[in-house]
Amino acid sequence: SYELTQPPSVSVSPGQTASITCSGHKLEDKYVFWYQQRPGQSPLVVIYQDNKRPSGIPERFSGSNSGDTATLTISETQALDEADYYCQAWDARTAVFGGGTELTVL
Amino acid sequence: EVLLVESGGGLVQPGRSLRLSCTASGFDFDHYAMHWVRQVPGQGLEWVSGLTWDGSITAYADSVKGRFTISRDNAKNSLYLQMNGLRPEDTALYYCGKDALRAAGTPTEGWIDPWGQGTLVTVSS
Repeated sequence: SYELTQPPSVSVSPGQTASITCSGHKLEDKYVFWYQQRPGQSPLVVIYQDNKRPSGIPERFSGSNSGDTATLTISETQALDEADYYCQAWDARTAVFGGGTELTVL
Repeated sequence: EVLLVESGGGLVQPGRSLRLSCTASGFDFDHYAMHWVRQVPGQGLEWVSGLTWDGSITAYADSVKGRFTISRDNAKNSLYLQMNGLRPEDTALYYCGKDALRAAGTPTEGWIDPWGQGTLVTVSS
């Protein structure tokens, strides 16, 4: 079965840029979606179709997808960006989620 | 405002059944695919199932195929998940989610936006 691999944790200082990767075989052939989940809350999409931002999501959030790796980039990271982030793609009529990355802003 | 409210969770013994419901409002429910996603507290997300706007096409995770059935009643703006043969590993918070693509011909190409607050299912003797 298809797998998406994310680093368990990423740390970033306030105001700096955070990059969260998501790796999968020939991932560039698929659309990747990114979800943010703050503690105690439901997930929220922050990037869809590799690099598109939903309305209401700050421009600080951006995405890319090339080769086997998709990347969520958060520029000028703020304390409120501290959350778990999950990548997701479709494979064989099944949604596959990455294991999630805990972003710590310190 | 789009609102999704799940219900039907609870404590159930292994091998028994449970039916989850999701009531939707704030959008034309009968034009969007819908999904169920679960999350063991403190762990990651696992997609469970999805179906098209008219219920004609369904998809399931291998872990629930043959045991769970997704359905919808567009007249009642409601999504359901019938869960049979429950196992302890089915214990999780179950989220209902709206597919972002309008009138998609398949439930397996869009993204989930928004999500409900979830209903907790605990399978234990």
